[in-house]
Parts: sequence; C-alpha cells; structure tokens
Amino acid sequence: QITLKESGPTLVKPTQTLTLTCTFSGFSLSTSGVGVGWIRQPPGKALEWLALIYWNDDKRYSPSLKSRLTITKDTSKNQVVLTMTNMDPVDTATYYCAHRDDHLLTFYYWGQGTLVTVSS
Amino acid sequence: DIQMTQSPSTLSASVGDRVTITCRASQSISSFLAWYQQKPGKAPKLLIYKASSLESGVPSRFSGSGSGTEFTLTISSLQPDDFATYYCQQYNSYWTFGQGTKVEIK
Repeated sequence: QITLKESGPTLVKPTQTLTLTCTFSGFSLSTSGVGVGWIRQPPGKALEWLALIYWNDDKRYSPSLKSRLTITKDTSKNQVVLTMTNMDPVDTATYYCAHRDDHLLTFYYWGQGTLVTVSS
Repeated sequence: DIQMTQSPSTLSASVGDRVTITCRASQSISSFLAWYQQKPGKAPKLLIYKASSLESGVPSRFSGSGSGTEFTLTISSLQPDDFATYYCQQYNSYWTFGQGTKVEIK
C-alpha cells in the first residue's frame, strides 16, 4: 500500500525559505519510472503543480516558479524535500506531495496535504 | 506553458441529471489528459486518465472523451456523492491543472 505524508512548518514569515518533506512508503524512488511531485492549492483556489523528481534524479520545475524551487530526494529515507525561497503571503496554500505512476504517467496516490500560511 | 481552461466554473444540477464539463488545452496534448474529483479538505482523486480510461473502482457513470485540445467529462446520472469540484490536468508537457468546476446542488 502506497502512502505519502507531508511535513513542515505551518507558518512562515515573508521572505523566509520554506522546507517541506514528503515521507512515503509502499514504493521505492530507486525503481525505474517512479516520480514524486509537489502540488499546491491556495484556499478556495485551483491546484498548481510545482515540481517533480524522478527515480534517476531528473528534476522538473514549474516554469513560473523555477527560480524559487529546489527538489531533492533521499532514497534511503524514502523522503523527498521541496524548498521554496522568498515566501510571500500569496504562497499561502495546502501543499501536497504525490506519487507519479509510471503506467498512468500522472498522479494517483496523494498525501493528505499540509497547510502553510505565510504571514508576519 | 500549456494552459488548461475549464467550463463552466460552477454547475448547478440535481440528482439524476446528466452533467458535462469541458476542458480546453492551449495546444495539442494528444490524449494526455486526466480528470480528478476533489471534496473539501481532501486530496484529489483520479477518475480518468488518458482522456477516456476509467480508473479502477470509479463508477461507470463517469466517462471522458476528446483528444488534441478539446475534452469532456460526463457524469451520466448525477449521484449525491458526486457533488464536488472537478479538475482536468494535462500531462503531455509537465503537469497543468484547469481552474476547476464546482458541481453544486440545484
């Protein structure tokens, strides 16, 4: 059974750097074709894809946020970490991590999400 | 960037109604389109992938069609559990979601 869970601060100040960790089980990020992505959703708004890392350490970033994002993986710990620099109140959102299925080519298993508020 | 545009933004319907949601891509995405259902406070649930393939366990009243730039999600007979927000998502080039369609009770 595949599960994912996001963790990190619930409150960050403007200009600070956000670091979120996705801890997963039920699959290995060293298996060919596997990927883990991050998606966010501001309150009452639409989903927005942020970044994805593949089993081979290939990384993809949203073009509009690429300069602020870094995604890394620790295969031994079954974790994926997302950092986002220069946080702003508009970055207030629920942040989800999700498993990219190599057959479906998109996200099937999602974490429960973690709400991050940006405020001074 | 590929933009996804859904219509309508909100849809009021009754139980038993046939419901159709449209999604347009700003450029051709072949059939690399998925539909998700999301309920308040929950993560999205995958309903359909590859434009028309029903994910296992999803009721057959849900169907998807289209290719290229025009896609539709149809619910043949709306059930109480179907009142939710629906998102299309392209995965031809990275991943992009539409702005969502809220299906509410009429």
